[in-house]
Amino acid sequence: AQSVTQLDSHVSVSEGTPVLLRCNYSSSYSPSLFWYVQHPNKGLQLLLKYTSAATLVKGINGFEAEFKKSETSFHLTKPSAHMSDAAEYFCVVIPSGSARQLTFGSGTQLTVLP
Amino acid sequence: NAGVTQTPKFRVLKTGQSMTLLCAQDMNHEYMYWYRQDPGMGLRLIHYSVGEGTTAKGEVPDGYNVSRLKKQNFLLGLESAAPSQTSVYFCASTSNYGYTFGSGTRLTVV
Repeated sequence: AQSVTQLDSHVSVSEGTPVLLRCNYSSSYSPSLFWYVQHPNKGLQLLLKYTSAATLVKGINGFEAEFKKSETSFHLTKPSAHMSDAAEYFCVVIPSGSARQLTFGSGTQLTVLP
Repeated sequence: NAGVTQTPKFRVLKTGQSMTLLCAQDMNHEYMYWYRQDPGMGLRLIHYSVGEGTTAKGEVPDGYNVSRLKKQNFLLGLESAAPSQTSVYFCASTSNYGYTFGSGTRLTVV
């Protein structure tokens, strides 16, 4: 079954420094990949999605992710962290042949230090 | 506003009690899903539906039942609640253009 693995359960960065949240996927061919964010006690918000149109995907709030087929990775980055970026981030895949259900990674908790 | 509405938002149950969570969407989406969120495990799919009158099991279906009698509603039932079902439950729906999530139901089983 296709899945995603988020390599870090917790990431801490200082405000103003770059953010890197790592995600690897398992798939025999190009999947649909997403990054979602969840702020404390809030619902899920779509950051960005990859659907094979372009390997570098720009999302909201300055986030972007690069699809690398050779490395089966879809890492999320942001050049400069803001305090408001503190949240939990989920890498998500739609397995091929599925009823479009989203399969979530286990999440990465991002802490932004002042 | 168009979207996915979950009721109730919070609930405390005693072990063995039953309840139904309601998910309603007004976007005419065919596909609907129920997920549960537990710390360190992301969201896991409980059941889903690909259209009115259809349901199917997801990754963690045990202890839950669902029904989709109307296209806009997807009900999640717990027949005999257990403490292991303490979780936050999210409903979602989709068409060809994107996914919409509800705001969640926080359920505690004591």
